[in-house]
Amino acid sequence: KAGVTQTPRYLIKTRGQQVTLSCSPISGHRSVSWYQQTPGQGLQFLFEYFSETQRNKGNFPGRFSGRQFSNSRSEMNVSTLELGDSALYLCASSLIPRYNEQFFGPGTRLTVL
Amino acid sequence: DAKTTQPPSMDCAEGRAANLPCNHSTISGNEYVYWYRQIHSQGPQYIIHGLKNNETNEMASLIITEDRKSSTLILPHATLRDTAVYYCIVRVVDNAGNMLTFGGGTRLMVKP
Repeated sequence: KAGVTQTPRYLIKTRGQQVTLSCSPISGHRSVSWYQQTPGQGLQFLFEYFSETQRNKGNFPGRFSGRQFSNSRSEMNVSTLELGDSALYLCASSLIPRYNEQFFGPGTRLTVL
Repeated sequence: DAKTTQPPSMDCAEGRAANLPCNHSTISGNEYVYWYRQIHSQGPQYIIHGLKNNETNEMASLIITEDRKSSTLILPHATLRDTAVYYCIVRVVDNAGNMLTFGGGTRLMVKP
């Protein structure tokens, strides 16, 4: 079956703009998590959604937000982009929140100029 | 979740076993040890997990010490495709959530 898909794969924005990234989990998976990866900070947890509800949130400013739809697809939004938001944004899905294995997508590479 | 310590880098000859250590001396009784790896430009990939018994699957073996303060991931016959950053993570598995806390990981270089 198809893996986790993320769109777009690459994105270039300028400071002050906003961006929306999309994640489609593996069919049947209901838990979706988002991570930010930068060379300086490594992989950092952003938030997790299950049944359209945010379960956990990492230590990121309110400019970072997300949501999950009834079909388990998820979007994350970053408003008022800053240069430091340039990163690889990864989405991971699992059947349920306590499921052992999480499956990661290929990520969206965001560059903020 | 408990903090983990891993060597920043390791080399391994192709065909030989790669033994990647992880220290988690503050692990709690209900925390599991997970291993993920990230091949360049890809998302992380789950490898294996365990609580206190040694575990083996088609990818690797996980050896956890009796006091659970450290563990070793073993790739029995490393190939060039195993070159990646390997992350050791400890976490509680419950209905509260699925958050993974990644450290710096070990960059494994498999050489011909």
